[in-house]
Amino acid sequence: GQNIDQPTEMTATEGAIVQINCTYQTSGFNGLFWYQQHAGEAPTFLSYNVLDGLEEKGRFSSFLSRSKGYSYLLLKELQMKDSASYLCAVMDSNYQLIWGAGTKLIIKP
Amino acid sequence: GAVVSQHPSRVICKSGTSVKIECRSLDFQATTMFWYRQFPKQSLMLMATSNEGSKATYEQGVEKDKFLINHASLTLSTLTVTSAHPEDSSFYICSAEAGTGGAETQYFGPGTRLLVL
Repeated sequence: GQNIDQPTEMTATEGAIVQINCTYQTSGFNGLFWYQQHAGEAPTFLSYNVLDGLEEKGRFSSFLSRSKGYSYLLLKELQMKDSASYLCAVMDSNYQLIWGAGTKLIIKP
Repeated sequence: GAVVSQHPSRVICKSGTSVKIECRSLDFQATTMFWYRQFPKQSLMLMATSNEGSKATYEQGVEKDKFLINHASLTLSTLTVTSAHPEDSSFYICSAEAGTGGAETQYFGPGTRLLVL
């Protein structure tokens, strides 16, 4: 079957760095996505990785290792507004998105 | 960036009634739209994929006669929850795909919160 694993919840301190991991097992691979979702709102796109390596976009970076079926989202200089759920999703060989359950990130002052 | 709207944002209805949710791509044409459902503290669950001018493709376990999808134009898809029951209460989110595909160009609507009493 297809499976996406990410931690249920993480806590970090304002100004610090946090890494949210995602491992996947899917039938085929056409890219991995990270979305941010604030409570009660729809997800917003953060990043897309299809080749191995690190993609940096401001305070957020995303890393992919296809051979290991592994990705992480790195958030630097954490701000209170970064408190949200972070969803990892993989596009399979049929170009369907397989969603992880999301990681709830709690930022403490 | 591209904007997708949903209407209504919230709806409360009595059990047995039908509810229509509209999803519009405001500044681009969407050949494909997706309907998701999200229960509290759970991930998004794809309900169906809607292509303009053709019948929607439903995911396993989603009743096509209960969740009617109409993608009448390149900018509008509607989801009608027929004979809604309390267990249908959920957060319904649509997304629209611009261009030739790839979730990077999939834009989400703000969602519709449905409460069935």
